Amino acid sequence: EAQVTQNPRYLITVTGKKLTVTCSQNMNHEYMSWYRQDPGLGLRQIYYSMNVEVTDKGDVPEGYKVSRKEKRNFPLILESPSPNQTSLYFCASSLEERETQYFGPGTRLLVL
Amino acid sequence: DAKTTQPTSMDCAEGRAANLPCNHSTISGNEYVYWYRQIHSQGPQYIIHGLKNNETNEMASLIITEDRKSSTLILPHATLRDTAVYYCIVSYGSGNTGKLIFGQGTTLQVKP
Repeated sequence: EAQVTQNPRYLITVTGKKLTVTCSQNMNHEYMSWYRQDPGLGLRQIYYSMNVEVTDKGDVPEGYKVSRKEKRNFPLILESPSPNQTSLYFCASSLEERETQYFGPGTRLLVL
Repeated sequence: DAKTTQPTSMDCAEGRAANLPCNHSTISGNEYVYWYRQIHSQGPQYIIHGLKNNETNEMASLIITEDRKSSTLILPHATLRDTAVYYCIVSYGSGNTGKLIFGQGTTLQVKP
């Protein structure tokens, strides 16, 4: 089944404790992206990747890192999480950057 | 900023057609109209898209006016599981970021 998976789905952590949210797709998509969703602010793009080893900042990249060492994986790294990064995170992928995007199920993060 | 205008909320009786309007008066000639939906806090789900012709798939129909300034998403026989926020999107944002610009969407409540 074609899908985008994210892990973990739920995470509670403390300020400053590094964490990684994984994202994987099995559709051989070149384009992948991370969004965060906050009440009243909608979905905002954090980082995106056009292909392996090609990543770039979205609208709200501060406090986040990404890597794209393999086509299928696009992990989101929070080196030193802070409470303002408490949010619902979505990974998405598409064949190319302006094609239909397929979203993962979301990761709900709470930073204390 | 979102380039679409949608009603904040709508109700529909179960089994009836749900018609969700969207205004996009500033759409440019090469921009597609995309519809996604988000059920509770799940990942947004692609529904349908079109350029200028009407489109139909197994989920819905998309009617685009001749001047392309507005469109209507039609769910032919709404069920309770169609209760969701529906987003009409006509822009990927500037540059080749692949960023989908989500507005506030229409909350569709399907009632028994």
